[in-house]
Amino acid sequence: QVQLVQSGAEVKEPGASVKVSCKASGYRLSGYYIHWVRQAPGQGLEWMGWINPSGGGAKYVQKFQGWVTMTGDTSVNTAYLELSRLKSDDTAIYYCTRESTLAYFDYWGQGTLITVSS
Amino acid sequence: QSALTQPPSASGSPGQSVTISCTGTSSDVGAYNYVSWYQQHPGKAPKLIIYEVTKRPLGVPDRFSGSKSGNTASLTVSGLRAEDEADYFCSSYAGNNNMVFGRGTKLTVL
Repeated sequence: QVQLVQSGAEVKEPGASVKVSCKASGYRLSGYYIHWVRQAPGQGLEWMGWINPSGGGAKYVQKFQGWVTMTGDTSVNTAYLELSRLKSDDTAIYYCTRESTLAYFDYWGQGTLITVSS
Repeated sequence: QSALTQPPSASGSPGQSVTISCTGTSSDVGAYNYVSWYQQHPGKAPKLIIYEVTKRPLGVPDRFSGSKSGNTASLTVSGLRAEDEADYFCSSYAGNNNMVFGRGTKLTVL
């Protein structure tokens, strides 16, 4: 069965970087786009962008351009989200999710809590 | 793009029906039949319950239904059950390979 399993929670200081992994099983990562969505404590879902693991193309919401990098490694069926220059308001749960067919998300990772605190 | 507008809260008694709205613009909800809905219980990842406005994934009860009129999509939960108490988020394709979510609605079963 399809599963997305993400890496564990991390605590980072402001200005640091972090890389979150999202390992896919039950299907080939190259077959579907992976999107990243974040949820600040007590808040709603915020779409960050997507990675095409097959071609390597990516799209980012403007506010995430320049400090967020989405990549995929089809040899290990894993997508990655790298965040740099972290600030306290980047504290959130970060989810990877698979886009099925067109414009909806059928499978989600369990989420990775990133806490930014000094 | 701006977040889709949802009421912050909704409620109903067991057995009743409740409808949650999701208002966008002519560039997202109004332009495409690619509205989806997600249910999220506390501490859990979102779960797809409606896609392409009206379709239900396998395993989602037919108590959940979706519709759209103009720039507003709606999710109706019929025959409310205690386990339906959760946060509900809408999402829409917004063109140019962009997606947008609603701010979420907390559904309380009284």
